[in-house]
Formats: sequence, structure tokens, C-alpha cells
Amino acid sequence: AQTVTQSQPEMSVQEAETVTLSCTYDTSENNYYLFWYKQPPSRQMILVIRQEAYKQQNATENRFSVNFQKAAKSFSLKISDSQLGDTAMYFCAFCDSGSARQLTFGSGTQLTVLP
Amino acid sequence: NAGVMQNPRHLVRRRGQEARLRCSPMKGHSHVYWYRQLPEEGLKFMVYLQKENIIDESGMPKERFSAEFPKEGPSILRIQQVVRGDSAAYFCASSPVTGVTDTQYFGPGTRLTVL
Repeated sequence: AQTVTQSQPEMSVQEAETVTLSCTYDTSENNYYLFWYKQPPSRQMILVIRQEAYKQQNATENRFSVNFQKAAKSFSLKISDSQLGDTAMYFCAFCDSGSARQLTFGSGTQLTVLP
Repeated sequence: NAGVMQNPRHLVRRRGQEARLRCSPMKGHSHVYWYRQLPEEGLKFMVYLQKENIIDESGMPKERFSAEFPKEGPSILRIQQVVRGDSAAYFCASSPVTGVTDTQYFGPGTRLTVL
């Protein structure tokens, strides 16, 4: 069974600064997908970024980028130029590439952007 | 293109009553997933459905919970004889047909409170 670990329950960052959220996972699969979702106070789950394990290049979406280290089974999220609207709970999630399409989520990191 | 729709957004039930949660996937999506989020926790997979088929229900409690995705109409998550421990946010997600594994897009969730 896959597990996803987020070891930082809470983090804070000053507006316009950069912050990195950590995520590690455990799997015996070779092909899989990794995601970061954010959950703002509205509680809506919003996709932030996605990474395919077979791709060596780290995914980037505007101010959001990942550092994917497959051998270390690490998948961290970097948020540059943090904005107040980035305040949310951030969840790392894993999905294998087989028929079991369920997402396995970490416990989340509550990020607060300070003005 | 409308996103994933869930209703009701908030549902209050007394112990022993039935709860019915509805989910309409995004247009063009034929895969539906249900997740449960207990207070202060991450999302946990419950069930994965395609039209008229349950593909994976490994996360569903063995009793009182059932799910369906009929040929016409929304997917329904049904909880019979609710107990206080069923109080949680229930999220539905959908994904399209193409690809082996596709990104899951989430609805706004239904917050179930059992009195």
C-alpha cells in the first residue's frame, strides 16, 4: 500500500517571499503520478500542480514548482512570490498508473501567508 | 464548462436517518470518485465508479454505505442509519475517459452533520 507523509503540519511565510512544503511517499510502483492540491478556507479542493513519475523535468505552473526526487521518493512544492490568497491547507497526493485510480493523500500542511 | 457539482452543500441529519449526497461530474467526464474528510484530517478514498459500474469500493465501510452512478443522472452516495461518526465532508471528484490516469477535479464537497 502507498503512503504519503507531510511532516510539516503548519508553516508561515511573509508575503512576496518563497516557501517550500515537503512531501515524501512510499511505493513499490515505478510509474505513478503525484499531485499538490490546495484547500482554502472555502474548503474547495483545487489542483495546484501535477507530476508524472516518468518525466525527469520538474513541473512548473506560474509561481508554483516542484522538486521531484524519484530515488528519494520526495516531492516538495515551492511557492514563489507568496500572496495572501495562497493561504490554505496544502495536500500532497499519490496515484499509481494502474487500474487503481484512487488518490492517496497526505495529512496536509496549513500554510499562512503573512502581510 | 461547469465544474463538478455537489448537492446539498450542507446536510444535517439525526442519528438513524438516511443521507443522500449527489454528484454531477464535469461535462465529458465519465469517472467519479468519492472521498471522505474527517475533521483535521486528509481525504480518504471511498469508491470509484463509472457509468452503471462500481470499479473499486475498497475504501467503503462494509455496512450502511452504498454508491451508484446510473446511466442517467448524478452519482449518489447513500448513508443509511447515520451515526455521529459519519459527520464529515464528503468530496466527489471526476476525471475524463482518456489516458491511463487523469487528473481528478473536485467538487465543493457536502458537509454532513449528524446530531
